Amino acid sequence: KAGVTQTPRYLIKTRGQQVTLSCSPISGHRSVSWYQQTPGQGLQFLFEYFSETQRNKGNFPGRFSGRQFSNSRSEMNVSTLELGDSALYLCASSLDRPGSSYEQYFGPGTRLTVT
Amino acid sequence: ILNVEQSPQSLHVQEGDSTNFTCSFPSSNFYALHWYRWETAKSPEALFVMTLNGDEKKKGRISATLNTKEGYSYLYIKGSQPEDSATYLCAPHTDKLIFGTGTRLQVFP
Repeated sequence: KAGVTQTPRYLIKTRGQQVTLSCSPISGHRSVSWYQQTPGQGLQFLFEYFSETQRNKGNFPGRFSGRQFSNSRSEMNVSTLELGDSALYLCASSLDRPGSSYEQYFGPGTRLTVT
Repeated sequence: ILNVEQSPQSLHVQEGDSTNFTCSFPSSNFYALHWYRWETAKSPEALFVMTLNGDEKKKGRISATLNTKEGYSYLYIKGSQPEDSATYLCAPHTDKLIFGTGTRLQVFP
């Protein structure tokens, strides 16, 4: 079974631009969560999507948004990029069914650099 | 906001040493406590998902215990090997996973 995939793997953008990152979960997984990791910080939760609906949201400004499609693939968008948005963005999928462990499977991440 | 603390922040041990780390979190309602292992240039990989007070899980030389009443979990590695070098993350699962900043382990041959 294929793992979680993220595209692109690396991205360089300029301040003020916007960016869209993509995540394809493991087949059959319905939940997709997004995380941001910056140097010195742990994984910060951005949001979670389940069945095309945002189920949970972290403490990030409205410039960060996301969506999920009917095939469970998810995208996150960051508008008006700031230097501080430079980070590794990870997505994770989980089966999220009653009786499951809610274990999350992570993708390789997208390294975003804002100049 | 749930505050998750992990200690120590980093650890350097010799091959063959046993080691343990701590994850502390406020005792509150949560579904489970997750442990992840994150090697450099790879994706975080789930080690354990623990749900019950007193739960103990084991995978090879790695084991973990959970105390939900006092809000902590321990991860133990017996006979550390260089391939155990990684950052170990814990995350209580409430309505979402809240990750600690991790313990960075380096095992020297």
